[in-house]
Amino acid sequence: GIQVEQSPPDLILQEGANSTLRCNFSDSVNNLQWFHQNPWGQLINLFYIPSGTKQNGRLSATTVATERYSLLYISSSQTTDSGVYFCAVGRGTASKLTFGTGTRLQVTL
Amino acid sequence: GAVVSQHPSRVICKSGTSVKIECRSLDFQATTMFWYRQFPKKSLMLMATSNEGSKATYEQGVEKDKFLINHASLTLSTLTVTSAHPEDSSFYICSASFAPSGSNEQFFGPGTRLTVL
Repeated sequence: GIQVEQSPPDLILQEGANSTLRCNFSDSVNNLQWFHQNPWGQLINLFYIPSGTKQNGRLSATTVATERYSLLYISSSQTTDSGVYFCAVGRGTASKLTFGTGTRLQVTL
Repeated sequence: GAVVSQHPSRVICKSGTSVKIECRSLDFQATTMFWYRQFPKKSLMLMATSNEGSKATYEQGVEKDKFLINHASLTLSTLTVTSAHPEDSSFYICSASFAPSGSNEQFFGPGTRLTVL
């Protein structure tokens, strides 16, 4: 099956700092999503981005499908950004998602 | 839009009992729903794909007689953990695919935390 790796596994930032999270995948995909899992376990959709670039406030994402990676940018981080960030990919018509290993982000004051 | 609910949010049961978890798409029809399992500090692992009106497709290593899935309508899928044992304790999360314009974006429920004593 498709392999999905995320880096870094852990990240500690001071409030206001910027960061880049990376997601590498091993095969072509037609679905790529970024999620933020909050402390209660809820997965919050950040981006649906099988290709191209999108921005939403302080967050933006870029997927280079031909090179099999995606990047999530967080600017001016806030303590509420803390949590685990997952990318997940899918391929084919069923489009079941394979999740990456996650990046655990902690933003401190 | 694209809201998915799960019930219950938390359940504690005795070993040997069965537990049913409901997953509902509240404001859209979902022909396909998915069930995932997450252990503490781990990633999500897909258990099965649930299609309305047909049998679920289970991932390798997932016991279909242990984890019964029913997708009776376009807005409801249920996961029943039969004869639960402590090793079944986990966080179970469902998702539904919302495809108003042909995309296959998935939206997730809030999860159900199962503890088997």
